[in-house]
Amino acid sequence: SQQGEEDPQALSIQEGENATMNCSYKTSINNLQWYRQNSGRGLVHLILIRSNEREKHSGRLRVTLDTSKKSSSLLITASRAADTASYFCATDEGGSYIPTFGRGTSLIVHP
Amino acid sequence: DVKVTQSSRYLVKRTGEKVFLECVQDMDHENMFWYRQDPGLGLRLIYFSYDVKMKEKGDIPEGYSVSREKKERFSLILESASTNQTSMYLCASSLPGLTDTQYFGPGTRLTVL
Repeated sequence: SQQGEEDPQALSIQEGENATMNCSYKTSINNLQWYRQNSGRGLVHLILIRSNEREKHSGRLRVTLDTSKKSSSLLITASRAADTASYFCATDEGGSYIPTFGRGTSLIVHP
Repeated sequence: DVKVTQSSRYLVKRTGEKVFLECVQDMDHENMFWYRQDPGLGLRLIYFSYDVKMKEKGDIPEGYSVSREKKERFSLILESASTNQTSMYLCASSLPGLTDTQYFGPGTRLTVL
């Protein structure tokens, strides 16, 4: 099955900086979700954006969706060491009725 | 809050053993999922269930089976464990819309020797 692809695979920044990670997909979607996974733990849902939405905010998180480019970005503003985690996008592209997860972006925020 | 629990955080088994991984959710969710997660491969769906006694194969069902006798419990069974099944196993649940938000358990790290 197809999956979204996150970019970059790894990102290392200093506390206080912004972190941007991207997700690309190949066909049409109804919605796209972002999840966070702390090391050795399960995934936690962050935000869901529907295909008719362009931008959503949740606290320090901003998600954008560009259906013409088949891509989404997750921006974490004023990052903290506690934001260190892997971030995954999940899409229902290709008419799949099951979300398909990408391989993730590993974010390290240095204190 | 939704709570999804998995029976073990760490498990070590021998090749050929039958292994049961249990998952329980407390939010009356219709859908439950089993994934395995390996470095560089992301999450891969093994099986999912949309109702009691109903199951569907995911992307990598070979070597696995599942059981859902009660709505809150979804079990993953490795009939004869092999070393290539060493992995992190994640259970999740969601409301009826299959692309709805998934709630994950903490994961079971299984090592097969």
